[in-house]
Amino acid sequence: DAMVIQNPRYQVTQFGKPVTLSCSQTLNHNVMYWYQQKSSQAPKLLFHYYDKDFNNEADTPDNFQSRRPNTSFCFLDIRSPGLGDAAMYLCATSREGDIGGYTFGSGTRLTVV
Amino acid sequence: GQNIDQPTEMTATEGAIVQINCTYQTSGFNGLFWYQQHAGEAPTFLSYNVLDGLEEKGRFSSFLSRSKGYSYLLLKELQMKDSASYLCAVRDDPGGFKTIFGAGTRLFVKA
Repeated sequence: DAMVIQNPRYQVTQFGKPVTLSCSQTLNHNVMYWYQQKSSQAPKLLFHYYDKDFNNEADTPDNFQSRRPNTSFCFLDIRSPGLGDAAMYLCATSREGDIGGYTFGSGTRLTVV
Repeated sequence: GQNIDQPTEMTATEGAIVQINCTYQTSGFNGLFWYQQHAGEAPTFLSYNVLDGLEEKGRFSSFLSRSKGYSYLLLKELQMKDSASYLCAVRDDPGGFKTIFGAGTRLFVKA
């Protein structure tokens, strides 16, 4: 089945230790997104890729970076995680022109210790 | 500013009908979405409205009034598995690259 896969499902990292979350998709969608969702809050868009074009939200901290080496893969790098970065990180995809909603991965729950 | 408001929690009884309301104020409008999110899981797409009126899909219906900045999600014949958060989201740019989410309404279905 075509889908969006995030690894790992749960990630524990130490305060200040760089961590990378990964997302892959078999849908051949040209747009990929990273959202941060804290408990009982709305998902917050961090950035998105339209093909290879990277688009950062104005209020996304510099601590968060992303890479998209090809259509299928996208990575979220957190350079120096703080306790406030503990959250669920959601990867989503869409295709330009589609009227439907996003397809989300299962998410990675990040814990910072 | 951009704002999407929906009630924090609702409780309903198995077999009943529940309506979850959403109001929005966004800089643009290119469609309104409802997603279902079970605890600890990713959101899944439920419905999409871009024109005024009611869209029906099985036990779920969604209504939109663009002039009022208002939508609701109607769930009929509630089942226990419908206990989840329901997120209202607005796509606010024509390219479809920016969707703003509400914080969600947590629905508890009781027997």
